Amino acid sequence: QSALTQPPSASGSAGQSVTISCTGTSSDVGAYDYVSWYQLHPGKAPKLMIYDVSKRPSGVPDRFSGSKSGNTASLTVSGLQADDEADYYCGSYAGSNNPRWMFGGGTKLTVL
Amino acid sequence: EVQLVESGGGLVQPGGSLTLSCAASGFTFSLHWMTWVRQAPGKGLEWVAQIKPDGSASSYVDSVKGRFTISRDNARNSLYLQMNSLRAEDMAVYHCARFGTATHMDVWGKGTTVTVSS
Repeated sequence: QSALTQPPSASGSAGQSVTISCTGTSSDVGAYDYVSWYQLHPGKAPKLMIYDVSKRPSGVPDRFSGSKSGNTASLTVSGLQADDEADYYCGSYAGSNNPRWMFGGGTKLTVL
Repeated sequence: EVQLVESGGGLVQPGGSLTLSCAASGFTFSLHWMTWVRQAPGKGLEWVAQIKPDGSASSYVDSVKGRFTISRDNARNSLYLQMNSLRAEDMAVYHCARFGTATHMDVWGKGTTVTVSS
């Protein structure tokens, strides 16, 4: 199975909104509401930002939101801040297939 | 503070072996599924293996089956990944992560780097 498809880069000015897409198949993203999003800053542990498509863990600002339509999930970051600049990866459960968990190739978010 | 700290990475020749460790703290380790996820240079994240809370069941990505073994010691709050017959394509930063529920990984370590080269 191929990785989930994300755009390699996205950008927006401080204060603006940006949306990152994550396209899978009917065997992973389309099959389960188990899409999650992770923020990776260089040298730091990955941080869970969204789980189960649209739920936010405690401590994650409500500027981060998630959605899904069919085989494509999306992460929207509103009110962009300098610290939002990072790599973002989507992940999805893929059931009893192998691999059990699929990730995207990552999107580098730049805050202009 | 909930924390995962990996160790054991390093330089190994092709065909060699390495064992990674992950020390957990700040939570009840024995209640959680655990997993290893890797990121090769310039590539995305890749799920490698996962293990049940009591260690009785595990699963692997096809590319490491028969070569890698995931295990845990709940008394020591530790997760392990025994890697044998290492290949150049196994070169990556290896993260251990906790499953919050069955649907996502909610706590990650910073990772440990495995370099496979002669």
